[in-house]
Amino acid sequence: GAGVSQSPRYKVAKRGQDVALRCDPISGHVSLFWYQQALGQGPEFLTYFQNEAQLDKSGLPSDRFFAERPEGSVSTLKIQRTQQEDSAVYLCASSLGNRGGGYTFGSGTRLTVV
Amino acid sequence: DAKTTQPPSMDCAEGRAANLPCNHSTISGNEYVYWYRQIHSQGPQYIIHGLKNNETNEMASLIITEDRKSSTLILPHATLRDTAVYYCIVRVAGGYSGAGSYQLTFGKGTKLSVIP
Repeated sequence: GAGVSQSPRYKVAKRGQDVALRCDPISGHVSLFWYQQALGQGPEFLTYFQNEAQLDKSGLPSDRFFAERPEGSVSTLKIQRTQQEDSAVYLCASSLGNRGGGYTFGSGTRLTVV
Repeated sequence: DAKTTQPPSMDCAEGRAANLPCNHSTISGNEYVYWYRQIHSQGPQYIIHGLKNNETNEMASLIITEDRKSSTLILPHATLRDTAVYYCIVRVAGGYSGAGSYQLTFGKGTKLSVIP
């Protein structure tokens, strides 16, 4: 597609519920990133994929967070047993590689845990 | 990656040039300066990046001082649609060079308000 697509756009989850957030990167983009953005803050790095390989997951805040990209294209960020502090906008970005240039971000999924 | 310092907010009159400063005094020789902006309810948008030479594209110009310790993003004729948070980021480019070299480290940025 023309850009990075994320779904759903908004998600309300009850505390303790599991959620799955989807990212469709630009076709052919090798690198894929997930970021978390709390209200009033800049985005914070969660994890990075190069094709299907998850090369860095150091930003995932707990073992309740899990990301996958099994075929090197679509990626899913899963949060188990959601808590109120998980409420944030989750952003996905992709790029052809990591050799500089810009990353293309999606519009994000706004997760609200009630 | 080197840390950046930006003013928290700025105002600019519509039609005038917006000059957004960024300090990155600890920048390394192989680190580029990147600028992104984030319009309300959207993801960050890439604007421009540079190493040491001034750069210009259809969106903006980037002026980097000779010692590379600071830079300025210039929007030559600001419009209301340029109202956004602008992030200055420094990072290594040109290939993988260790853990974290590919990720973008955002600060709080500068909230630019373009006023009619």
